[in-house]
Amino acid sequence: DQQVKQNSPSLSVQEGRISILNCDYTNSMFDYFLWYKKYPAEGPTFLISISSIKDKNEDGRFTVFLNKSAKHLSLHIVPSQPGDSAVYFCAAMKTYFMRFGAGTRLTVKP
Amino acid sequence: ETGVTQSPTHLIKTRGQQVTLRCSSQSGHNTVSWYQQALGQGPQFIFQYYREEENGRGNFPPRFSGLQFPNYSSELNVNALELDDSALYLCASSSAESVEQYFGPGTRLTVT
Repeated sequence: DQQVKQNSPSLSVQEGRISILNCDYTNSMFDYFLWYKKYPAEGPTFLISISSIKDKNEDGRFTVFLNKSAKHLSLHIVPSQPGDSAVYFCAAMKTYFMRFGAGTRLTVKP
Repeated sequence: ETGVTQSPTHLIKTRGQQVTLRCSSQSGHNTVSWYQQALGQGPQFIFQYYREEENGRGNFPPRFSGLQFPNYSSELNVNALELDDSALYLCASSSAESVEQYFGPGTRLTVT
């Protein structure tokens, strides 16, 4: 079952522009949503999270938006930098159980 | 602050064998979770340990088992290896008060 879906396997943006990564979920019982970034040969690195009772959370260049009625969240990166090039995973958490999407590969071109 | 470490980095086993993977949690973390990441997919939750007890389990058969030790290091054991067990195995540590999990670099297991 795919309770967390990232429908875009890849995204390419120009340096300085906005990157928008999307994620959909099916289970309304999730308590938190998280974004992780993964470079090759490294484990995923936590980026930002949002509680299910919030609709926006901001941390520097990263903002996560949560639309509960649409069961959709997005990660905005502004401005995008070449060092942001990585695979981004969306994850949803209910108590101890964290479920990940398949990931979106972001490429930021200089 | 020491991060999460895993050993070994790579491992090749034969179908039917048993394997043990190891993880050292980040200092101060009392919870460890294990994930399996197949190629092209996101990590899948195997189980979580909190204070040496299994705290929750995903959809994995009993031949996947684990241990957490008093120093919060952990092991993942897989018996009767199958070809489909070939994957990257990730462990992540966290404190009980935080949703944020810190991942190790993973162990790449290949079953032939």
